[in-house]
Amino acid sequence: AQSVTQLDSQVPVFEEAPVELRCNYSSSVSVYLFWYVQYPNQGLQLLLKYLSGSTLVKGINGFEAEFNKSQTSFHLRKPSVHISDTAEYFCAVVTGGGNKLTFGTGTQLKVEL
Amino acid sequence: EPEVTQTPSHQVTQMGQEVILRCVPISNHLYFYWYRQILGQKVEFLVSFYNNEISEKSEIFDDQFSVERPDGSNFTLKIRSTKLEDSAMYFCASSERTGFNSPLHFGNGTRLTVT
Repeated sequence: AQSVTQLDSQVPVFEEAPVELRCNYSSSVSVYLFWYVQYPNQGLQLLLKYLSGSTLVKGINGFEAEFNKSQTSFHLRKPSVHISDTAEYFCAVVTGGGNKLTFGTGTQLKVEL
Repeated sequence: EPEVTQTPSHQVTQMGQEVILRCVPISNHLYFYWYRQILGQKVEFLVSFYNNEISEKSEIFDDQFSVERPDGSNFTLKIRSTKLEDSAMYFCASSERTGFNSPLHFGNGTRLTVT
């Protein structure tokens, strides 16, 4: 069965600093990977997705992620964070033909002045 | 941009009571889902629904749970006899099609507290 692991439960970072949120997946078949963001008191919003093709995927709000098959990783990055990026970030995977998502435990990004 | 809406945002109920969580998916979407997130834990898949039938359900989705699309716009999750461990944030989602290339759109969630 597929799964994703988010090793960092919380990541504090100062405004305008770069950030990387880590995600590793396990699956023996083709995977489709996603990052979702949950702002306080809101639902889950799709940030970006990797389906195939270029391993560097760009998403909304200046985020990007790189699919690394050899390291089974899909880390999320932003070169310069803003206070408004404070949120919980979830990595998720879909395998097979459907679109049932398997989520990681989430990483709380806290951006400080 | 069209949204998935969920009501209520917070529901408090006593153990053993029935509760219905309501969702209005995006109007042209055909596939509907419920997920839940127990505090501090992963977001977990509960059930998917298409063409008035459950298409897939998880082990969590036992006989205490049911889903229904009572009319052309609402999609509901019913828990017949709530337990303390049902306390969680419940997310409704919808998608236009099935398949990995059709992203899920989530609502803001209903926080269910069972006392």
